[in-house]
Amino acid sequence: GIQVEQSPPDLILQEGANSTLRCNFSDSVNNLQWFHQNPWGQLINLFYIPSGTKQNGRLSATTVATERYSLLYISSSQTTDSGVYFCAAPNTGNQFYFGTGTSLTVIP
Amino acid sequence: DTEVTQTPKHLVMGMTNKKSLKCEQHMGHRAMYWYKQKAKKPPELMFVYSYEKLSINESVPSRFSPECPNSSLLNLHLHALQPEDSALYLCASSRSSGANVLTFGAGSRLTVL
Repeated sequence: GIQVEQSPPDLILQEGANSTLRCNFSDSVNNLQWFHQNPWGQLINLFYIPSGTKQNGRLSATTVATERYSLLYISSSQTTDSGVYFCAAPNTGNQFYFGTGTSLTVIP
Repeated sequence: DTEVTQTPKHLVMGMTNKKSLKCEQHMGHRAMYWYKQKAKKPPELMFVYSYEKLSINESVPSRFSPECPNSSLLNLHLHALQPEDSALYLCASSRSSGANVLTFGAGSRLTVL
């Protein structure tokens, strides 16, 4: 299956700071998604971004499919951004593989 | 609010009990998934149903038995579980396969005593 690696594993930010999370994947993909898991376990889809750049408020994501990586940018972080961020990519079937996640803590 | 509904939110069961987790979506999605997530780990795929047929079983023990009664419902029947099966069980759906967006439910947190 596809190998998906994320960095950094843990990140602590002061409120208002910016950050970049990285996702590397081992094979070509036609689908790459970023999720935020809140402290209660709910996984929220942030971006569906197989290639290119998308922005949604303070968040943006870029996927460079030819180089097999994706980046998630968080600007002006808030305490509500805390949680775990996962990227996920499928193989040729329905098997979505999740990265190991980045645990983000934003302190006031 | 999530568009994938999972019940119950919490379940405590003994090793000899039989229980079921339920998942429902009304988005017209034709692929549905069960994931298992242990603390501080990523979700791990268990089963995939595509057009109401089991298409992927990731070598899950038979004490977990999935069922897809129709295109909107997905069940996970639990029997003779072990304490190490305690985890967050997540249901997801997507339009069909591959290049589609996964939408997750809020999860069912299972504790096996």
